[in-house]
Amino acid sequence: EAQVTQNPRYLITVTGKKLTVTCSQNMNHEYMSWYRQDPGLGLRQIYYSMNVEVTDKGDVPEGYKVSRKEKRNFPLILESPSPNQTSLYFCASSLSGGTVSEQYFGPGTRLTVT
Amino acid sequence: GESVGLHLPTLSVQEGDNSIINCAYSNSASDYFIWYKQESGKGPQFIIDIRSNMDKRQGQRVTVLLNKTVKHLSLQIAATQPGDSAVYFCAENDATGGFKTIFGAGTRLFVKA
Repeated sequence: EAQVTQNPRYLITVTGKKLTVTCSQNMNHEYMSWYRQDPGLGLRQIYYSMNVEVTDKGDVPEGYKVSRKEKRNFPLILESPSPNQTSLYFCASSLSGGTVSEQYFGPGTRLTVT
Repeated sequence: GESVGLHLPTLSVQEGDNSIINCAYSNSASDYFIWYKQESGKGPQFIIDIRSNMDKRQGQRVTVLLNKTVKHLSLQIAATQPGDSAVYFCAENDATGGFKTIFGAGTRLFVKA
């Protein structure tokens, strides 16, 4: 089944403890992206990747890191999480980085930072 | 900076009626627009898209209209069903701006039986 998977689905952590949220897609998509969703703010793009080893900042990249060493994986790293990073995170992928097309979203990761 | 907004945060319609969800965008360079549907507890799901060289596109029970003159996008749902109840997001992409995707805040659609 074609899908985007994220792990973990739920995470509660403490301020300053490094964490990684994994994202994987099995559709051979070039484009992958991370968003955070907060009430009243919709989805805001954190980082995106056009292809392996190519990443770019979205609108809210501060406090986050990403890497794209393989086409299928696009992990989101929070080196020192803070409470303002408590949010619902979505990973997404789409077919071609050369021409933007619809994105396929994962099920989301709910992160709470205390 | 660029923004994508919505005229109404909540829309309530009777089952069987048509629904119209509106969206305003501010980046005149945006060349690709998408509507997503998000049901409770799930990730957004693609509904329909339109490129800037078109002004109308139809899918199954859905139509997207693009008015570049006033930078307005709308989603029309025909014969709205209870399963259409969800939050609807418009999103825009500007290829010249580095393929960033900007989402609107969303409109919640309630369908009354």
